[in-house]
Amino acid sequence: AQSVAQPEDQVNVAEGNPLTVKCTYSVSGNPYLFWYVQYPNRGLQFLLKYITGDNLVKGSYGFEAEFNKSQTSFHLKKPSALVSDSALYFCAVIGRTLTFGKGTMLLVSP
Amino acid sequence: GAGVSQSPRYKVAKRGQDVALRCDPISGHVSLFWYQQALGQGPEFLTYFQNEAQLDKSGLPSDRFFAERPEGSVSTLKIQRTQQEDSAVYLCASSLEDRRAFFGQGTRLTVV
Repeated sequence: AQSVAQPEDQVNVAEGNPLTVKCTYSVSGNPYLFWYVQYPNRGLQFLLKYITGDNLVKGSYGFEAEFNKSQTSFHLKKPSALVSDSALYFCAVIGRTLTFGKGTMLLVSP
Repeated sequence: GAGVSQSPRYKVAKRGQDVALRCDPISGHVSLFWYQQALGQGPEFLTYFQNEAQLDKSGLPSDRFFAERPEGSVSTLKIQRTQQEDSAVYLCASSLEDRRAFFGQGTRLTVV
């Protein structure tokens, strides 16, 4: 069965500093990986996906993610955090269906 | 419409009452998913349709939960004899072959 682990419930970072939100996955076959963001009282919004190709994937709002097959990881990164990036972030993997991690709350302080 | 639309946005039901939640997917999207998101948790898969065919309903928590998509477009998630543990946000998503899922804003169900 496929699964996704987000080991951090919350990540705190100061504005302007780089951020990383961690994700590891387990799936049989080639992984299709996604990151979504959820703002309060709003639906999930797509950030980026990895299907195949370059291990560094660039997405919306300056976010990027690095696929590492040997470590089965797909960490979300941004070089310089903004206060407006504060939200709940979900990593997801597609096997038979789209399976989400439990989410990581990102708090960016001014 | 431009996005996935869900209605109602909020629903308060008395314990034991039946509820129906509606999802209008993006026009032309073949795949449709329902998820349940409890407070502070990630979305949990409920069921998946490809056109009108329900290909996977393994996530439905009990036989009180039923979903349909009779014409391969609008979908309804029905919960019979609601219980307090059914309180959650119910999310609907649709997608094309690229597997990028577009989510609605969800229906927040509160069972009192």
